[in-house]
Amino acid sequence: GEDVEQSLFLSVREGDSSVINCTYTDSSSTYLYWYKQEPGAGLQLLTYIFSNMDMKQDQRLTVLLNKKDKHLSLRIADTQTGDSAIYFCAETPGGGYQKVTFGTGTKLQVIP
Amino acid sequence: DVKVTQSSRYLVKRTGEKVFLECVQDMDHENMFWYRQDPGLGLRLIYFSYDVKMKEKGDIPEGYSVSREKKERFSLILESASTNQTSMYLCASSLAGASYEQYFGPGTRLTVT
Repeated sequence: GEDVEQSLFLSVREGDSSVINCTYTDSSSTYLYWYKQEPGAGLQLLTYIFSNMDMKQDQRLTVLLNKKDKHLSLRIADTQTGDSAIYFCAETPGGGYQKVTFGTGTKLQVIP
Repeated sequence: DVKVTQSSRYLVKRTGEKVFLECVQDMDHENMFWYRQDPGLGLRLIYFSYDVKMKEKGDIPEGYSVSREKKERFSLILESASTNQTSMYLCASSLAGASYEQYFGPGTRLTVT
């Protein structure tokens, strides 16, 4: 089945850039997304990218997709303490199937 | 403002009890999902429903059942709770054909003793 892998933990200093990486196995992925989970809360969609795109930028967030290597990354510029959260990579296989496969989540710790 | 609510934030149950987790959404979404979240394992799909009275098994349906009698409500049932079902349970909903944009509830932390 589909598999989505992430490193479990990332620590950065406030003001630095954060890069959270994700690899996936399903070559027919249609959408790839990043969700954010703040402490004690559910997940919130941050951004998504279609599989026919290489890059998407939204304010401080930049998503890069390397389809050949099946690698997705999320870059957060000027990381703030409010960015401390768990970030989940997720993908939807092609074929219109509704199921979303989530990664294990990367806990981002921002050090003041 | 979109909203997904779950009946309890924290729940403690005994082994063997029947447990009901309720989820309600007010966005008229067709799709609803139940996940469990465990450290190091991320989110795993238990069941999802794409319409009233319709359900599909996810990756880990064993020990769980679901009910969707009304469009806005999706219930997760643990027929006989076991300690390995101690977890955080998250409900989500989305429009039909837009499962990439799921709206999540705050979660229910269930402890089975």
